[in-house]
Amino acid sequence: DTGVSQDPRHKITKRGQNVTFRCDPISEHNRLYWYRQTLGQGPEFLTYFQNEAQLEKSRLLSDRFSAERPKGSFSTLEIQRTEQGDSAMYLCASSLLQGDEQYFGPGTRLTVT
Amino acid sequence: AQSVTQLGSHVSVSEGALVLLRCNYSSSVPPYLFWYVQYPNQGLQLLLKYTSAATLVKGINGFEAEFKKSETSFHLTKPSAHMSDAAEYFCAVSDKNTGRRALTFGSGTRLQVQP
Repeated sequence: DTGVSQDPRHKITKRGQNVTFRCDPISEHNRLYWYRQTLGQGPEFLTYFQNEAQLEKSRLLSDRFSAERPKGSFSTLEIQRTEQGDSAMYLCASSLLQGDEQYFGPGTRLTVT
Repeated sequence: AQSVTQLGSHVSVSEGALVLLRCNYSSSVPPYLFWYVQYPNQGLQLLLKYTSAATLVKGINGFEAEFKKSETSFHLTKPSAHMSDAAEYFCAVSDKNTGRRALTFGSGTRLQVQP
């Protein structure tokens, strides 16, 4: 069990550029979650997948954000036309289908300049 | 909608002293409750969880929490603080009633441990 991994760990981009983050969950976990954490705050839910199906999206997930989990394994989160307000830590978590516990990855820190 | 309130954004204790971090939830039905710890520039690590079994829950690193329905609280305690406990602590809930698994987090409490 290698845990949840995220790539890249850090991303600096200029406003208006597109960025994509990847999350690899724990291998047997069916559920995958994305959260966003800004400085001094707790994580906020963005979206979650059960296998390849995206079952819930937060209102925080504007039209510029899209997430996929094409084969029910890894997931990608893309932000188009980044804005300075998108600067945050993006956290991925996974859990078993019947599990209550979510296991978090190390996060991707995005800085939009 | 569920919400979580963590009283005290910063708590400072001396090494060896009792740690008490407060968490209150708002929900008509007791939710699942969690405490996570986050070290600088890292993800979150689960300390313990309450899912309607025993009201006193023991977690890792000597932490425990007690679920009190009458007070809608789930405070985190540790009898004796260690320097390595210095971190950010988050209380979180998920909705047992609907089965919705997304976590709602409090704003966190930063624990400082003084030598």
